Amino acid sequence: QVQLQESGPGLVKPSETLSLTCTVSGGSTISNHYWSWIRQPPGKGLEWIGYIYYSGYTNYNPSLKSRVTISIDTSKNLFSLKLNSVTAADTAVYYCARQEYAYGFGPSGYWGQGTQVTVSS
Amino acid sequence: NFMLTQPHSVSESPGKTVTISCTRSSGSIASNYVQWYQQRPGTSPTTLIYDDNQRPSGVPDRFSGSIDSSSNSASLTISGLKTEDEADYYCQSYDSSNCWVFGGGTKLTVL
Repeated sequence: QVQLQESGPGLVKPSETLSLTCTVSGGSTISNHYWSWIRQPPGKGLEWIGYIYYSGYTNYNPSLKSRVTISIDTSKNLFSLKLNSVTAADTAVYYCARQEYAYGFGPSGYWGQGTQVTVSS
Repeated sequence: NFMLTQPHSVSESPGKTVTISCTRSSGSIASNYVQWYQQRPGTSPTTLIYDDNQRPSGVPDRFSGSIDSSSNSASLTISGLKTEDEADYYCQSYDSSNCWVFGGGTKLTVL
């Protein structure tokens, strides 16, 4: 069973950089799939942040593109998110996920349990 | 870019059928596949429908998806409602650059 686990600081100060890691386990390698970050502000809906293909190709939400970097480490079976210059509006539950297609999860998508990140001084 | 608009909430009784709409603001709904996700309280979303009307294995056939070009919308229909279907439902599509767009979500109450 594929498992994804987010990790990183739960509290980030305004103007600083949010950094999260997603570790993949359970028999799935980081290869041959797309890997996404999606967030959900408190009480609100889902927002796509971006994805990375195992080759390193990335695609970002245009509204966040100037602040986002997603990277991948195939040797460690993990991928990461960096979001810089954060504000309170970046407070959310951040999910990492595996999708079959560039455009969506397809028949066998997997999500992490999500990690709460609060931006506050 | 386009937006996907969903009703904020719907409610129906157990055993009945409910339909949740997802209307695309510009461009054809048929141009890009639509996905549907279910999110029960306090849990991560799961895929109910992909590629407009395909169900992943394990998703009951009570859940079905369709698109309607005349209204430029996609629909998720849940038949034989169960209390366990009470959740938030999100539609999702993408643009020509494969940038994803989520609908705002619909809260389903089964009363």
